[in-house]
Amino acid sequence: ETGVTQSPTHLIKTRGQQVTLRCSSQSGHNTVSWYQQALGQGPQFIFQYYREEENGRGNFPPRFSGLQFPNYSSELNVNALELDDSALYLCASTPAGGKESEQFFGPGTRLTVL
Amino acid sequence: GQQLNQSPQSMFIQEGEDVSMNCTSSSIFNTWLWYKQEPGEGPVLLIALYKAGELTSNGRLTAQFGITRKDSFLNISASIPSDVGIYFCAGQSWETSYDKVIFGPGTSLSVIP
Repeated sequence: ETGVTQSPTHLIKTRGQQVTLRCSSQSGHNTVSWYQQALGQGPQFIFQYYREEENGRGNFPPRFSGLQFPNYSSELNVNALELDDSALYLCASTPAGGKESEQFFGPGTRLTVL
Repeated sequence: GQQLNQSPQSMFIQEGEDVSMNCTSSSIFNTWLWYKQEPGEGPVLLIALYKAGELTSNGRLTAQFGITRKDSFLNISASIPSDVGIYFCAGQSWETSYDKVIFGPGTSLSVIP
Protein backbone atom coordinates (compact mmCIF):
# COMPACT_ATOMS: atom_id res chain seq x y z
CA GLU A 1 0.00 0.00 0.00
CA THR A 2 1.98 3.02 -1.17
CA GLY A 3 -0.41 5.43 -2.85
CA VAL A 4 2.45 7.90 -3.31
CA THR A 5 2.36 9.57 -6.70
CA GLN A 6 4.82 11.97 -8.30
CA SER A 7 4.62 14.29 -11.27
CA PRO A 8 5.90 14.70 -13.84
CA THR A 9 7.50 11.31 -14.55
CA HIS A 10 10.20 12.82 -16.75
CA LEU A 11 11.46 16.36 -17.22
CA ILE A 12 14.17 17.99 -19.30
CA LYS A 13 15.54 21.40 -18.33
CA THR A 14 18.56 23.48 -19.23
CA ARG A 15 21.26 24.74 -16.92
CA GLY A 16 20.22 27.81 -14.94
CA GLN A 17 16.49 27.12 -15.12
CA GLN A 18 14.21 26.41 -12.18
CA VAL A 19 12.09 23.30 -11.66
CA THR A 20 9.22 22.25 -9.40
CA LEU A 21 8.52 18.59 -8.73
CA ARG A 22 5.34 17.40 -7.06
CA CYS A 23 4.42 14.58 -4.75
CA SER A 24 1.07 13.43 -3.44
CA SER A 25 0.86 11.03 -0.55
CA GLN A 26 -2.05 9.27 1.10
CA SER A 27 -4.38 10.79 3.60
CA GLY A 28 -2.86 10.55 7.05
CA HIS A 29 0.76 10.55 5.89
CA ASN A 30 2.00 13.65 7.67
CA THR A 31 5.74 13.25 7.07
CA VAL A 32 7.33 13.51 3.64
CA SER A 33 10.98 13.20 2.70
CA TRP A 34 12.69 13.98 -0.59
CA TYR A 35 15.68 12.08 -1.97
CA GLN A 36 18.00 12.52 -4.93
CA GLN A 37 19.16 9.32 -6.63
CA ALA A 38 21.98 9.70 -9.13
CA LEU A 39 22.46 6.95 -11.68
CA GLY A 40 23.96 3.83 -10.13
CA GLN A 41 23.76 5.15 -6.57
CA GLY A 42 21.48 4.90 -3.59
CA PRO A 43 19.02 7.66 -2.72
CA GLN A 44 20.48 10.66 -0.85
CA PHE A 45 18.37 12.51 1.69
CA ILE A 46 17.55 16.11 0.70
CA PHE A 47 15.10 17.20 3.40
CA GLN A 48 12.04 16.21 5.35
CA TYR A 49 8.77 17.99 6.13
CA TYR A 50 6.50 17.26 9.06
CA ARG A 51 3.17 19.06 9.41
CA GLU A 52 4.21 21.63 6.81
CA GLU A 53 7.50 22.57 8.52
CA GLU A 54 11.02 21.56 7.45
CA ASN A 55 12.13 18.96 9.96
CA GLY A 56 15.64 18.16 8.83
CA ARG A 57 17.97 18.70 5.90
CA GLY A 58 20.76 16.75 4.24
CA ASN A 59 23.88 18.12 2.61
CA PHE A 60 22.16 20.07 -0.18
CA PRO A 61 22.53 23.79 -0.96
CA PRO A 62 19.74 26.35 -0.30
CA ARG A 63 18.72 26.36 -3.96
CA PHE A 64 16.93 23.11 -3.07
CA SER A 65 13.76 24.09 -1.23
CA GLY A 66 10.42 22.52 -0.46
CA LEU A 67 6.88 22.95 0.67
CA GLN A 68 4.32 20.67 2.26
CA PHE A 69 0.60 21.41 2.03
CA PRO A 70 -2.34 20.49 4.30
CA ASN A 71 -3.75 18.18 1.63
CA TYR A 72 -0.73 15.81 2.00
CA SER A 73 0.94 17.04 -1.19
CA SER A 74 4.41 18.52 -1.32
CA GLU A 75 6.83 20.19 -3.70
CA LEU A 76 10.54 20.16 -4.31
CA ASN A 77 11.91 23.30 -5.95
CA VAL A 78 15.38 23.55 -7.42
CA ASN A 79 16.72 26.92 -8.60
CA ALA A 80 19.68 27.64 -10.87
CA LEU A 81 19.85 24.08 -12.16
CA GLU A 82 23.27 22.53 -12.67
CA LEU A 83 24.24 19.57 -14.83
CA ASP A 84 24.89 17.48 -11.69
CA ASP A 85 21.27 17.93 -10.65
CA SER A 86 20.34 15.34 -13.27
CA ALA A 87 18.93 12.44 -11.24
CA LEU A 88 15.84 10.57 -10.14
CA TYR A 89 14.02 12.54 -7.43
CA LEU A 90 12.03 10.43 -5.02
CA CYS A 91 9.56 11.43 -2.39
CA ALA A 92 8.67 9.15 0.49
CA SER A 93 5.90 9.50 3.06
CA THR A 94 5.31 8.03 6.48
CA PRO A 95 1.86 7.44 7.95
CA ALA A 96 1.00 9.24 11.17
CA GLY A 97 1.51 6.82 14.04
CA GLY A 98 3.57 4.49 11.89
CA LYS A 99 7.15 3.47 12.43
CA GLU A 100 9.18 6.52 11.51
CA SER A 101 11.72 4.66 9.41
CA GLU A 102 9.15 2.76 7.32
CA GLN A 103 8.67 5.11 4.42
CA PHE A 104 6.62 4.53 1.29
CA PHE A 105 8.30 5.77 -1.86
CA GLY A 106 6.77 7.19 -5.01
CA PRO A 107 8.00 6.14 -8.46
CA GLY A 108 10.16 9.25 -8.83
CA THR A 109 10.66 12.05 -11.33
CA ARG A 110 13.56 11.65 -13.73
CA LEU A 111 15.15 15.10 -14.21
CA THR A 112 17.65 15.68 -16.99
CA VAL A 113 19.59 18.96 -17.06
CA LEU A 114 21.24 19.86 -20.37
CA GLY B 1 29.82 11.50 7.79
CA GLN B 2 27.85 8.30 8.01
CA GLN B 3 28.32 5.98 5.06
CA LEU B 4 27.17 2.48 4.16
CA ASN B 5 29.04 -0.06 2.05
CA GLN B 6 27.31 -2.92 0.29
CA SER B 7 28.79 -6.08 -1.13
CA PRO B 8 28.80 -7.51 -3.61
CA GLN B 9 28.19 -4.65 -6.02
CA SER B 10 26.47 -7.03 -8.45
CA MET B 11 25.52 -10.70 -8.65
CA PHE B 12 24.57 -13.05 -11.47
CA ILE B 13 23.01 -16.28 -10.22
CA GLN B 14 21.05 -19.26 -11.52
CA GLU B 15 17.37 -19.52 -10.71
CA GLY B 16 16.93 -21.62 -7.58
CA GLU B 17 20.21 -20.59 -5.96
CA ASP B 18 20.40 -18.86 -2.62
CA VAL B 19 21.71 -15.29 -2.42
CA SER B 20 23.56 -13.49 0.34
CA MET B 21 24.47 -9.82 0.46
CA ASN B 22 25.65 -7.57 3.23
CA CYS B 23 25.95 -4.02 4.37
CA THR B 24 28.59 -2.51 6.66
CA SER B 25 29.26 0.84 8.25
CA SER B 26 31.84 2.49 10.47
CA SER B 27 28.95 4.10 12.40
CA ILE B 28 26.34 2.59 14.67
CA PHE B 29 22.75 2.48 13.46
CA ASN B 30 19.62 1.88 15.51
CA THR B 31 17.47 0.70 12.61
CA TRP B 32 18.44 -1.28 9.53
CA LEU B 33 16.21 -1.45 6.49
CA TRP B 34 16.35 -3.45 3.28
CA TYR B 35 14.70 -2.13 0.12
CA LYS B 36 14.30 -3.46 -3.41
CA GLN B 37 14.11 -1.16 -6.43
CA GLU B 38 13.00 -2.21 -9.89
CA PRO B 39 13.47 -0.13 -13.05
CA GLY B 40 11.17 2.89 -13.22
CA GLU B 41 9.98 2.50 -9.65
CA GLY B 42 10.81 3.77 -6.21
CA PRO B 43 12.36 1.54 -3.54
CA VAL B 44 9.99 -0.87 -1.78
CA LEU B 45 10.61 -1.82 1.84
CA LEU B 46 11.32 -5.54 2.28
CA ILE B 47 12.40 -5.90 5.90
CA ALA B 48 12.93 -3.55 8.85
CA LEU B 49 15.17 -4.45 11.81
CA TYR B 50 15.08 -2.63 15.13
CA LYS B 51 17.22 -4.59 17.62
CA ALA B 52 20.82 -5.75 17.57
CA GLY B 53 20.89 -9.46 16.80
CA GLU B 54 17.34 -9.47 15.44
CA LEU B 55 16.67 -12.01 12.69
CA THR B 56 13.55 -11.36 10.63
CA SER B 57 12.02 -13.22 7.70
CA ASN B 58 9.63 -12.13 4.97
CA GLY B 59 8.81 -15.14 2.81
CA ARG B 60 12.04 -16.27 1.14
CA LEU B 61 13.91 -13.26 2.49
CA THR B 62 15.78 -13.26 5.81
CA ALA B 63 17.70 -10.32 7.25
CA GLN B 64 19.73 -9.85 10.41
CA PHE B 65 20.75 -6.81 12.44
CA GLY B 66 24.40 -7.26 13.39
CA ILE B 67 25.38 -7.46 17.05
CA THR B 68 27.84 -4.57 16.67
CA ARG B 69 25.03 -2.42 15.15
CA LYS B 70 27.42 -1.69 12.30
CA ASP B 71 26.28 -4.32 9.83
CA SER B 72 23.35 -6.26 8.43
CA PHE B 73 22.86 -9.02 5.90
CA LEU B 74 20.07 -10.11 3.61
CA ASN B 75 19.57 -13.66 2.34
CA ILE B 76 17.23 -14.73 -0.43
CA SER B 77 16.50 -18.43 -0.70
CA ALA B 78 15.57 -20.30 -3.88
CA SER B 79 15.83 -17.25 -6.15
CA ILE B 80 13.29 -16.71 -8.92
CA PRO B 81 13.38 -14.39 -11.96
CA SER B 82 11.21 -11.75 -10.26
CA ASP B 83 13.91 -11.28 -7.62
CA VAL B 84 15.83 -9.26 -10.21
CA GLY B 85 16.45 -5.70 -9.08
CA ILE B 86 18.70 -3.51 -6.98
CA TYR B 87 18.75 -4.19 -3.26
CA PHE B 88 19.57 -1.30 -0.97
CA CYS B 89 20.37 -1.40 2.70
CA ALA B 90 19.57 1.70 4.70
CA GLY B 91 20.29 2.74 8.24
CA GLN B 92 18.81 5.22 10.64
CA SER B 93 20.48 6.49 13.78
CA TRP B 94 19.20 8.41 16.74
CA GLU B 95 21.92 11.03 16.36
CA THR B 96 19.51 13.07 14.30
CA SER B 97 16.21 14.37 15.55
CA TYR B 98 14.47 13.60 12.30
CA ASP B 99 13.96 10.50 10.21
CA LYS B 100 17.10 10.81 8.12
CA VAL B 101 17.77 7.49 6.46
CA ILE B 102 21.18 6.75 4.93
CA PHE B 103 21.19 4.43 1.91
CA GLY B 104 23.96 2.19 0.68
CA PRO B 105 25.00 2.14 -2.99
CA GLY B 106 23.03 -1.04 -3.72
CA THR B 107 23.61 -4.61 -4.87
CA SER B 108 22.34 -5.41 -8.36
CA LEU B 109 20.88 -8.91 -8.64
CA SER B 110 20.40 -10.74 -11.94
CA VAL B 111 18.74 -14.17 -12.02
CA ILE B 112 19.39 -16.45 -14.98
CA PRO B 113 16.39 -18.71 -15.69
